[in-house]
Amino acid sequence: GAVVSQHPSWVICKSGTSVKIECRSLDFQATTMFWYRQFPKQSLMLMATSNEGSKATYEQGVEKDKFLINHASLTLSTLTVTSAHPEDSSFYICSAREWASYEQYFGPGTRLTVT
Amino acid sequence: AQKVTQAQTEISVVEKEDVTLDCVYETRDTTYYLFWYKQPPSGELVFLIRRNSFDEQNEISGRYSWNFQKSTSSFNFTITASQVVDSAVYFCALSEGLRDDKIIFGKGTRLHILP
Repeated sequence: GAVVSQHPSWVICKSGTSVKIECRSLDFQATTMFWYRQFPKQSLMLMATSNEGSKATYEQGVEKDKFLINHASLTLSTLTVTSAHPEDSSFYICSAREWASYEQYFGPGTRLTVT
Repeated sequence: AQKVTQAQTEISVVEKEDVTLDCVYETRDTTYYLFWYKQPPSGELVFLIRRNSFDEQNEISGRYSWNFQKSTSSFNFTITASQVVDSAVYFCALSEGLRDDKIIFGKGTRLHILP
């Protein structure tokens, strides 16, 4: 079956530093990937849609200069949280849409803690 | 704009009881997909079902069943003979369009199955 991986699975960083999270589709090509954020005991909120080879589309209220998204290949999208602050601590989940079937598959998530 | 409402924030039932999780959606599109996901304490989303707007047939998978009613814009999920392992947060979700666009999640229902 289709598998999406995320790396790292968890990360702790200091306030002011940047953190990069990778999302990979392991056995299929994904023209589109989505990034979600989930705060404790809350739902998944879509942050942005990432299309291979083009700029990401951000949802209203998401700072594009803070959350940099790069979708350089059909199997990899990265989310970089720049100048992270404690309020950025959250669970970040990506999903990848398979180019032929348009089915979406979710990654296991990355837990970010900013101290 | 699309919207998913899960009015039940938290439900507790005793093991072996049946439980129904409600989901009401809003969309302007005539073509859309509805989903249910399970999120256990580990955080990883577990896909349960995907149903398109043209298929109103109810579905049963083991102890799980889904009732889709376009007339009331509802897509309810029933667990029969609940088990402790069913304890998790359950999300109902919606994506619009023919090509399975971004998925928007409801706020989730936290289900506790008591032994």
